[in-house]
Amino acid sequence: DTGVSQDPRHKITKRGQNVTFRCDPISEHNRLYWYRQTLGQGPEFLTYFQNEAQLEKSRLLSDRFSAERPKGSFSTLEIQRTEQGDSAMYLCASSPPGSAGELFFGEGSRLTVL
Amino acid sequence: GENVEQHPSTLSVQEGDSAVIKCTYSDSASNYFPWYKQELGKGPQLIIDIRSNVGEKKDQRIAVTLNKTAKHFSLHITETQPEDSAVYFCASGETSYDKVIFGPGTSLSVIP
Repeated sequence: DTGVSQDPRHKITKRGQNVTFRCDPISEHNRLYWYRQTLGQGPEFLTYFQNEAQLEKSRLLSDRFSAERPKGSFSTLEIQRTEQGDSAMYLCASSPPGSAGELFFGEGSRLTVL
Repeated sequence: GENVEQHPSTLSVQEGDSAVIKCTYSDSASNYFPWYKQELGKGPQLIIDIRSNVGEKKDQRIAVTLNKTAKHFSLHITETQPEDSAVYFCASGETSYDKVIFGPGTSLSVIP
């Protein structure tokens, strides 16, 4: 399978714990995006990278959230001191060089905070 | 701030009928308008997109129209089939290589 891969697919944690999600984009895709989706809503933009550079981070994003893409390949999204409101599906997408625009989404990492 | 609204939130049509989903956006700088389809348990998948230099684009049974003056754009699906049943999201972005902002989605059910 050469699509976007996310790990873990499901994570259940207790409030106050830290969690980390990993995204492996499609090979040679230089842009990588993180979105969050809650039930019945559209994906909400969190942040995106071009290669290893984080180009934009949502103003709504708490400082408990941090994302990295150290070598311009895979990315991690860490949530510190989780809250029940963080429960959601975390979607990663990648996009190839050029301006075609299509985002290729992974199947997401579902977080449940108890 | 940037905002995309989408209507209706749910839509039920008979197989073979047409379905229309409408969106509005707030950011005047938007020039790129993709539509994504999301099936249960999967990530969204691009089905068609349109850029601000055209008013309409068609791909087989799917067409999109754009009215940049009114900040409206619409998705039209003709001859609907049961496999068209899914959640559809409109989105907008300043460019096709920037982030996109998604609407809240339309759950389409095609009844055989």
